Amino acid sequence: EAGVTQSPTHLIKTRGQQATLRCSPISGHTSVYWYQQALGLGLQFLLWYDEGEERNRGNFPPRFSGRQFPNYSSELNVNALELEDSALYLCASSFRDRGSEAFFGQGTRLTVV
Amino acid sequence: AQTVTQSQPEMSVQEAETVTLSCTYDTSESDYYLFWYKQPPSRQMILVIRQEAYKQQNATENRFSVNFQKAAKSFSLKISDSQLGDAAMYFCAYTSTNAGKSTFGDGTTLTVKP
Repeated sequence: EAGVTQSPTHLIKTRGQQATLRCSPISGHTSVYWYQQALGLGLQFLLWYDEGEERNRGNFPPRFSGRQFPNYSSELNVNALELEDSALYLCASSFRDRGSEAFFGQGTRLTVV
Repeated sequence: AQTVTQSQPEMSVQEAETVTLSCTYDTSESDYYLFWYKQPPSRQMILVIRQEAYKQQNATENRFSVNFQKAAKSFSLKISDSQLGDAAMYFCAYTSTNAGKSTFGDGTTLTVKP
């Protein structure tokens, strides 16, 4: 069974540009979560999608946005990129039950220059 | 808001010995889940163990066990018979049953010495 897949693996953008990151959850999972992990630091919660709806949002500015498609895959968009947006962006998926295990993808390394 | 604190940025253990990683959290909720995740250099987050707050019995997964003290809001991870492959960053995570997000600690980097 395929795990959570994220694309691209690496992404280099210029300050002010937009970045789009993609995530495909494990088959059967309806919830997708996005986290930002700055170098050497812990994970900061960005967004939670379930059944196509945004269910919760972390303390990030509105230029961080996303969506979930009918097949439960998800996109994270970051507009007006800033240097401090450089980080590893991790996507995780799980069943709707919050106690179920969240499976993580290998992340997208976003570098803003 | 929930907070998770891992007070040990780095820990080291000799191969085959036991090590305990600390985690404390703060919450006003009574029902929640706690997790320990492992992140090796590959950056792949892997679930090590989970604990339901309503269960008094401590979770155990092979060489990994937790000491869950709900009143003290403490959730430590014990790794027995440490192996070289256990070397990684370990994250403690609190998951609310309602808010749909997990709050992670800053992590503990575990080094295993041969």
